[in-house]
Amino acid sequence: EIVLTQSPATLSLSPGERATLSCRASQSVSSYLAWYQQKPGQAPRLLIYDASNRATGIPARFSGSGSGADFTLTISSLEPEDFAVYYCLQRTNWPLTFGGGTKVEIK
Amino acid sequence: EVQLVESGGGLVQPGGSLRLSCTASGFIFSSYWMSWVRQAPGKGLEWVANIKQDGSDRYYVDSVKGRFTISRDNAKNSLYLQMNSLRADDTAVYYCARAIGTEAYWGQGTLVTVSS
Repeated sequence: EIVLTQSPATLSLSPGERATLSCRASQSVSSYLAWYQQKPGQAPRLLIYDASNRATGIPARFSGSGSGADFTLTISSLEPEDFAVYYCLQRTNWPLTFGGGTKVEIK
Repeated sequence: EVQLVESGGGLVQPGGSLRLSCTASGFIFSSYWMSWVRQAPGKGLEWVANIKQDGSDRYYVDSVKGRFTISRDNAKNSLYLQMNSLRADDTAVYYCARAIGTEAYWGQGTLVTVSS
């Protein structure tokens, strides 16, 4: 099973600041990594697929990078609606696995 | 408009069974892999199972193998999750999703509570 480790667990930032979230895999997942955003009481929302492709309707302030085992989600300038929990997901091997999540909270 | 609507959740005793359904609309259901993903209260996301377009391939997380069965009826545009021998740690919101990891379509979830 591929283990995804997200860091930090919590990120405390102010609106307008840059957020950098990390997802590290226990082995290579090539570029088959996605990022999701989840707000309380809502289903997850796909932000990035295949490491760096923005999903339809996702603002340009969200970007993904990386390949192999190290990936980054960057939010260039935090908007109030961006404070949420973020998860990475690998689809290279079965079982599919999610990271433990990073909570981006208002400082 | 793509829609995925889950149903069938509820309260069940440990050792009991439940069948979840996900009704799809707005797309050609038979063309897509489908998934179930769950989230225990206050916890992260956990992938549960996937099924190929024609149902010929199915994959499960180890913790549900032998207890849960994913299936689909393409004529009814429906996805199912038969859950047997339920345990307290199966308590979660269960989501169905289309082509997880590459597409953005998820249902709103159905809550399954396993408790005596």
